[in-house]
Amino acid sequence: GIQVEQSPPDLILQEGANSTLRCNFSDSVNNLQWFHQNPWGQLINLFYIPSGTKQNGRLSATTVATERYSLLYISSSQTTDSGVYFCAVVTSGTYKYIFGTGTRLKVLA
Amino acid sequence: DAGVTQSPTHLIKTRGQHVTLRCSPISGHKSVSWYQQVLGQGPQFIFQYYEKEERGRGNFPDRFSARQFPNYSSELNVNALLLGDSALYLCASSLDPLGDSPLHFGNGTRLTVT
Repeated sequence: GIQVEQSPPDLILQEGANSTLRCNFSDSVNNLQWFHQNPWGQLINLFYIPSGTKQNGRLSATTVATERYSLLYISSSQTTDSGVYFCAVVTSGTYKYIFGTGTRLKVLA
Repeated sequence: DAGVTQSPTHLIKTRGQHVTLRCSPISGHKSVSWYQQVLGQGPQFIFQYYEKEERGRGNFPDRFSARQFPNYSSELNVNALLLGDSALYLCASSLDPLGDSPLHFGNGTRLTVT
């Protein structure tokens, strides 16, 4: 089955710093989503991005489907950005999202 | 509009018991999926239902079952609970079953088996 690897596994930032999270996948995908799981366990949609670039405030994402990776950029990080970031992919004709290994982010005040 | 709602939020059960978890999708969403997330890992797919039919099943034992009702809400049932079933159970809904629209998650049910 498809493998989804995220890097780095852990990241500690000072408030105000920028960061880039990476998601590599081992096969072609139909779609990709980025999620933020907050410390209370809520999984929050960030981007639905099978290809191209999208921006939402301080966050942006880029997926290069032909090269099988996606990047999530966080600028001017805030303590509320802390939590675990997951990418999840679904392959063509299937119905289940495969989640990556996650990046655990901690932003210090 | 209301998001995906799940109940209960927390549950404590004893080994051997059974449990029923409930989920209401976003209005207009006909696809409901269930995921299990154990501590320190990403969510793992359990089931997907679309238009009241099972469309997919993950690698989980037959102790796990689910169904979808005419109003598109869904139940996940787990029988003969084991300690290893302790996890956060997440329900997600979407417009279509094949990933052509975003997946939206509820806040989850945290199940503890003692």
